[in-house]
Amino acid sequence: DTGVSQDPRHKITKRGQNVTFRCDPISEHNRLYWYRQTLGQGPEFLTYFQNEAQLEKSRLLSDRFSAERPKGSFSTLEIQRTEQGDSAMYLCASSPFAGSETQYFGPGTRLLVL
Amino acid sequence: RKEVEQDPGPFNVPEGATVAFNCTYSNSASQSFFWYRQDCRKEPKLLMSVYSSGNEDGRFTAQLNRASQYISLLIRDSKLSDSATYLCVVFSGGYNKLIFGAGTRLAVHP
Repeated sequence: DTGVSQDPRHKITKRGQNVTFRCDPISEHNRLYWYRQTLGQGPEFLTYFQNEAQLEKSRLLSDRFSAERPKGSFSTLEIQRTEQGDSAMYLCASSPFAGSETQYFGPGTRLLVL
Repeated sequence: RKEVEQDPGPFNVPEGATVAFNCTYSNSASQSFFWYRQDCRKEPKLLMSVYSSGNEDGRFTAQLNRASQYISLLIRDSKLSDSATYLCVVFSGGYNKLIFGAGTRLAVHP
Protein backbone atom coordinates (compact mmCIF):
# COMPACT_ATOMS: atom_id res chain seq x y z
CA ASP A 1 0.00 0.00 0.00
CA THR A 2 1.59 3.28 -1.07
CA GLY A 3 -0.90 5.62 0.59
CA VAL A 4 -0.39 7.80 3.65
CA SER A 5 0.06 5.71 6.77
CA GLN A 6 -0.35 6.70 10.41
CA ASP A 7 0.65 4.98 13.59
CA PRO A 8 -0.87 4.15 15.98
CA ARG A 9 -4.41 3.94 14.73
CA HIS A 10 -5.81 4.23 18.23
CA LYS A 11 -4.38 5.59 21.46
CA ILE A 12 -5.91 5.69 24.92
CA THR A 13 -4.02 7.66 27.53
CA LYS A 14 -4.52 9.21 30.90
CA ARG A 15 -4.71 12.94 31.37
CA GLY A 16 -1.28 14.43 31.86
CA GLN A 17 0.60 11.83 29.83
CA ASN A 18 2.56 12.60 26.66
CA VAL A 19 1.70 10.96 23.37
CA THR A 20 3.42 10.87 19.99
CA PHE A 21 1.90 10.03 16.63
CA ARG A 22 3.69 9.21 13.42
CA CYS A 23 2.76 9.91 9.82
CA ASP A 24 4.42 8.47 6.72
CA PRO A 25 3.36 10.42 3.63
CA ILE A 26 3.18 9.13 0.10
CA SER A 27 6.71 8.69 -1.18
CA GLU A 28 8.15 11.86 -2.74
CA HIS A 29 5.34 14.07 -1.52
CA ASN A 30 7.11 17.08 -0.16
CA ARG A 31 4.12 18.67 1.57
CA LEU A 32 2.70 17.21 4.75
CA TYR A 33 -0.24 18.44 6.83
CA TRP A 34 -1.72 17.65 10.20
CA TYR A 35 -5.42 18.17 10.91
CA ARG A 36 -7.56 17.49 13.96
CA GLN A 37 -11.16 16.35 13.81
CA THR A 38 -13.54 16.28 16.75
CA LEU A 39 -16.93 14.62 16.80
CA GLY A 40 -19.45 16.30 14.56
CA GLN A 41 -16.93 18.69 13.04
CA GLY A 42 -14.86 18.77 9.91
CA PRO A 43 -11.08 18.46 10.08
CA GLU A 44 -9.27 21.60 11.30
CA PHE A 45 -5.82 22.54 10.07
CA LEU A 46 -3.03 22.27 12.65
CA THR A 47 0.27 22.62 10.84
CA TYR A 48 2.05 22.20 7.54
CA PHE A 49 5.53 21.16 6.36
CA GLN A 50 7.25 21.66 3.09
CA ASN A 51 10.08 19.14 3.20
CA GLU A 52 11.55 19.53 6.69
CA ALA A 53 10.46 23.14 7.17
CA GLN A 54 7.38 23.83 9.27
CA LEU A 55 5.83 26.74 7.41
CA GLU A 56 2.55 27.37 9.17
CA LYS A 57 0.97 26.59 12.52
CA SER A 58 -2.63 27.15 13.52
CA ARG A 59 -3.44 28.94 16.75
CA LEU A 60 -5.14 25.65 17.67
CA LEU A 61 -1.64 24.27 18.13
CA SER A 62 -0.94 25.25 21.71
CA ASP A 63 2.48 25.12 23.35
CA ARG A 64 1.76 21.55 24.38
CA PHE A 65 1.78 20.48 20.75
CA SER A 66 4.91 20.05 18.69
CA ALA A 67 5.40 18.62 15.24
CA GLU A 68 8.56 17.66 13.41
CA ARG A 69 9.59 16.34 10.05
CA PRO A 70 13.32 15.93 10.57
CA LYS A 71 14.38 14.49 7.23
CA GLY A 72 11.54 15.70 5.10
CA SER A 73 9.96 12.27 5.02
CA PHE A 74 7.90 11.04 7.99
CA SER A 75 6.50 13.41 10.57
CA THR A 76 5.68 13.16 14.27
CA LEU A 77 3.10 15.05 16.29
CA GLU A 78 3.64 15.12 20.03
CA ILE A 79 1.14 16.25 22.63
CA GLN A 80 2.53 16.91 26.09
CA ARG A 81 0.47 16.85 29.28
CA THR A 82 -2.63 15.66 27.46
CA GLU A 83 -6.03 17.04 28.41
CA GLN A 84 -9.46 15.55 27.88
CA GLY A 85 -10.11 18.21 25.26
CA ASP A 86 -7.32 16.74 23.15
CA SER A 87 -9.48 13.69 22.45
CA ALA A 88 -9.97 13.71 18.69
CA MET A 89 -8.97 12.08 15.43
CA TYR A 90 -5.58 13.34 14.24
CA LEU A 91 -5.31 13.19 10.47
CA CYS A 92 -2.21 13.48 8.35
CA ALA A 93 -2.29 14.37 4.67
CA SER A 94 0.34 14.78 1.98
CA SER A 95 0.47 16.64 -1.28
CA PRO A 96 2.91 16.14 -4.14
CA PHE A 97 4.09 19.60 -5.11
CA ALA A 98 3.62 23.30 -4.85
CA GLY A 99 0.34 24.37 -6.33
CA SER A 100 -1.24 20.93 -6.03
CA GLU A 101 -4.66 21.27 -4.49
CA THR A 102 -5.17 17.59 -3.86
CA GLN A 103 -4.30 16.27 -0.43
CA TYR A 104 -4.26 12.57 0.32
CA PHE A 105 -5.32 11.65 3.82
CA GLY A 106 -4.10 8.88 6.04
CA PRO A 107 -6.48 6.75 8.14
CA GLY A 108 -5.95 8.92 11.21
CA THR A 109 -4.99 8.30 14.81
CA ARG A 110 -7.90 8.31 17.20
CA LEU A 111 -6.89 9.66 20.61
CA LEU A 112 -8.92 9.23 23.76
CA VAL A 113 -7.74 11.02 26.88
CA LEU A 114 -9.27 9.69 30.09
CA ARG B 1 -18.79 33.10 11.69
CA LYS B 2 -17.29 29.89 10.33
CA GLU B 3 -15.38 30.11 7.08
CA VAL B 4 -17.36 27.25 5.55
CA GLU B 5 -20.92 26.54 6.65
CA GLN B 6 -23.08 23.53 5.90
CA ASP B 7 -26.43 22.20 7.03
CA PRO B 8 -25.45 19.30 9.33
CA GLY B 9 -28.50 17.22 8.43
CA PRO B 10 -29.06 14.37 8.72
CA PHE B 11 -30.78 13.90 5.42
CA ASN B 12 -32.74 10.66 5.49
CA VAL B 13 -33.79 9.65 1.99
CA PRO B 14 -35.05 6.47 0.31
CA GLU B 15 -33.05 4.70 -2.35
CA GLY B 16 -33.51 6.32 -5.72
CA ALA B 17 -34.16 9.78 -4.33
CA THR B 18 -32.42 12.95 -5.44
CA VAL B 19 -30.82 14.95 -2.67
CA ALA B 20 -29.03 18.30 -2.67
CA PHE B 21 -26.55 19.73 -0.19
CA ASN B 22 -25.59 23.36 0.09
CA CYS B 23 -22.59 25.16 1.47
CA THR B 24 -21.53 28.79 1.85
CA TYR B 25 -18.05 30.20 2.29
CA SER B 26 -16.97 33.53 3.67
CA ASN B 27 -13.70 34.32 1.91
CA SER B 28 -14.49 35.82 -1.47
CA ALA B 29 -10.84 35.38 -2.51
CA SER B 30 -11.08 31.58 -2.27
CA GLN B 31 -10.00 29.94 -5.47
CA SER B 32 -10.79 26.26 -5.35
CA PHE B 33 -13.57 24.18 -3.94
CA PHE B 34 -14.20 20.53 -3.33
CA TRP B 35 -16.60 17.99 -1.94
CA TYR B 36 -15.09 15.24 0.20
CA ARG B 37 -16.85 12.17 1.43
CA GLN B 38 -16.19 10.71 4.87
CA ASP B 39 -17.47 7.35 6.03
CA CYS B 40 -17.94 6.70 9.72
CA ARG B 41 -14.59 6.56 11.53
CA LYS B 42 -12.65 6.81 8.27
CA GLU B 43 -10.54 9.50 6.65
CA PRO B 44 -12.01 12.05 4.23
CA LYS B 45 -11.71 11.15 0.56
CA LEU B 46 -12.00 13.51 -2.38
CA LEU B 47 -15.33 13.11 -4.11
CA MET B 48 -15.05 15.84 -6.71
CA SER B 49 -13.82 19.31 -7.49
CA VAL B 50 -16.25 22.18 -7.99
CA TYR B 51 -15.98 24.59 -10.90
CA SER B 52 -17.97 27.67 -11.88
CA SER B 53 -19.06 25.87 -15.02
CA GLY B 54 -20.37 22.96 -12.98
CA ASN B 55 -18.92 19.51 -12.68
CA GLU B 56 -20.70 16.21 -13.21
CA ASP B 57 -19.45 12.74 -12.35
CA GLY B 58 -22.03 10.06 -12.90
CA ARG B 59 -24.83 10.61 -10.42
CA PHE B 60 -23.05 13.51 -8.75
CA THR B 61 -23.19 17.14 -9.86
CA ALA B 62 -21.38 20.00 -8.16
CA GLN B 63 -22.00 23.69 -8.77
CA LEU B 64 -20.30 26.89 -7.69
CA ASN B 65 -21.84 30.35 -7.53
CA ARG B 66 -19.03 32.80 -6.85
CA ALA B 67 -21.29 35.82 -6.64
CA SER B 68 -23.29 34.25 -3.82
CA GLN B 69 -20.30 32.33 -2.39
CA TYR B 70 -22.38 29.21 -2.55
CA ILE B 71 -21.51 25.61 -3.43
CA SER B 72 -23.90 22.74 -4.03
CA LEU B 73 -23.79 18.98 -4.48
CA LEU B 74 -26.61 17.06 -6.12
CA ILE B 75 -26.84 13.29 -5.85
CA ARG B 76 -29.29 11.57 -8.16
CA ASP B 77 -30.65 8.04 -7.82
CA SER B 78 -29.28 7.65 -4.28
CA LYS B 79 -27.77 4.30 -3.35
CA LEU B 80 -27.41 2.74 0.08
CA SER B 81 -23.65 3.08 -0.40
CA ASP B 82 -23.99 6.87 -0.64
CA SER B 83 -24.67 6.99 3.12
CA ALA B 84 -21.83 9.06 4.54
CA THR B 85 -20.92 12.56 5.65
CA TYR B 86 -20.27 15.02 2.83
CA LEU B 87 -17.73 17.73 3.59
CA CYS B 88 -17.65 21.02 1.74
CA VAL B 89 -14.04 22.16 1.40
CA VAL B 90 -12.42 25.41 0.37
CA PHE B 91 -8.80 25.53 -0.69
CA SER B 92 -6.95 28.38 0.98
CA GLY B 93 -4.14 29.61 -1.21
CA GLY B 94 -0.71 30.29 0.06
CA TYR B 95 0.11 27.07 1.85
CA ASN B 96 -2.54 24.86 0.29
CA LYS B 97 -4.57 24.63 3.45
CA LEU B 98 -7.95 22.95 3.19
CA ILE B 99 -10.78 24.52 5.16
CA PHE B 100 -13.57 22.07 5.89
CA GLY B 101 -17.19 22.60 6.73
CA ALA B 102 -18.64 20.54 9.55
CA GLY B 103 -20.21 18.13 7.09
CA THR B 104 -23.71 17.07 6.09
CA ARG B 105 -24.81 13.57 7.04
CA LEU B 106 -26.70 11.53 4.48
CA ALA B 107 -28.53 8.32 5.34
CA VAL B 108 -30.06 6.40 2.43
CA HIS B 109 -32.56 3.74 3.47
CA PRO B 110 -34.15 0.89 1.51
